[in-house]
Amino acid sequence: AQKITQTQPGMFVQEKEAVTLDCTYDTSDPSYGLFWYKQPSSGEMIFLIYQGSYDQQNATEGRYSLNFQKARKSANLVISASQLGDSAMYFCAMREEHKLSFGAGTTVTVRA
Amino acid sequence: SQTIHQWPATLVQPVGSPLSLECTVEGTSNPNLYWYRQAAGRGLQLLFYSVGIGQISSEVPQNLSASRPQDRQFILSSKKLLLSDSGFYLCAWSGQSSYNSPLHFGNGTRLTVT
Repeated sequence: AQKITQTQPGMFVQEKEAVTLDCTYDTSDPSYGLFWYKQPSSGEMIFLIYQGSYDQQNATEGRYSLNFQKARKSANLVISASQLGDSAMYFCAMREEHKLSFGAGTTVTVRA
Repeated sequence: SQTIHQWPATLVQPVGSPLSLECTVEGTSNPNLYWYRQAAGRGLQLLFYSVGIGQISSEVPQNLSASRPQDRQFILSSKKLLLSDSGFYLCAWSGQSSYNSPLHFGNGTRLTVT
């Protein structure tokens, strides 16, 4: 069964606007971590933000924030004030113990 | 600071030939090590992970194997490549803590099997 679901294959956003990338997950483990990674066309995987299953507050890192709704098992990424350099593939991932499972990804294209 | 090195960056190999991809980590000890494969435009598939020297867990049965001869060295191998082995291979490391440690990735190897 799919552990991580990203339902948006691609999204367009205007420069300086905010964009929300959806992610839902499935686990019965009470201890897990949720991560977002950015993959530009060069292929490197860049770690953006982390949310732990026991964290009460939503994580924020600069222009990135994670909207964590535990009961709904969702962990959406919000990118504020989009920049042209934000154009990339974005992956949601969940870690249970040692293993990190990835969603299929969402391609974000920022328009000038 | 910790760094991860993965080579080569690109590789073109004929079907049936052997494969060896190497990954090393610097600046940390006893890391968890991982090999992932990414098909074009797709998500990452976990192939192998290791929590210590000589300890390898396989996630997907296939003609690939992994070894960890030293604490910070992880090798992905195949005796005979298949066309379906083409893809983007990424090595990663994390700290020993379990679910709250991010994985840090190398720059990847783009493998084309012809």
